[in-house]
Amino acid sequence: GAVVSQHPSRVICKSGTSVKIECRSLDFQATTMFWYRQFPKKSLMLMATSNEGSKATYEQGVEKDKFLINHASLTLSTLTVTSAHPEDSSFYICSASGSGSPYNEQFFGPGTRLTVL
Amino acid sequence: AQKVTQAQTEISVVEKEDVTLDCVYETRDTTYYLFWYKQPPSGELVFLIRRNSFDEQNEISGRYSWNFQKSTSSFNFTITASQVVDSAVYFCALSAYTGTASKLTFGTGTRLQVTL
Repeated sequence: GAVVSQHPSRVICKSGTSVKIECRSLDFQATTMFWYRQFPKKSLMLMATSNEGSKATYEQGVEKDKFLINHASLTLSTLTVTSAHPEDSSFYICSASGSGSPYNEQFFGPGTRLTVL
Repeated sequence: AQKVTQAQTEISVVEKEDVTLDCVYETRDTTYYLFWYKQPPSGELVFLIRRNSFDEQNEISGRYSWNFQKSTSSFNFTITASQVVDSAVYFCALSAYTGTASKLTFGTGTRLQVTL
């Protein structure tokens, strides 16, 4: 199956700093990538959808200026949490889908656990 | 709007018991996909099954089986002879059938605890 990686797997940062999370499709071209957030013991909530070369589409209630998403290539999307605060601490998961995925096949990354002190 | 309901927050069973995880969904789409994912303590989502709305056949894969009933908008998941390794959070999810990638709407998950 297709492989999606995320880096870093875990990050701890101080309040006010910015953190960048990378999502890479290792063996296929991801025309669409999704970013989800999961608070402890909660469900996954979609934050945004990004198509390669286009601006991301954010879900209602997600601040686009705070969560910057870039999908500049067919294998890489990045999520930058700007001026992070403790309430941004969460598990961030990306998924990727290729152009040849007629069944909405999404491949998930292993997730990034962000802790903001 | 799409919605997925997993009414069971947490289930505890003893090993070798059968267990059914319920999933009820709402959608205005006439065609759609349904999914089940497993999330072990490591956090990584493990894909279990995808079912499109055209296909109401039940499916069995080893100890896992799925019952899709369009009439009741349900897509239940049964684990037969549960094992400790089945302990995880299980998510049911729904997406539109658009021919291209579309977002997943997840249920709130059911935490399954299998003990010896």
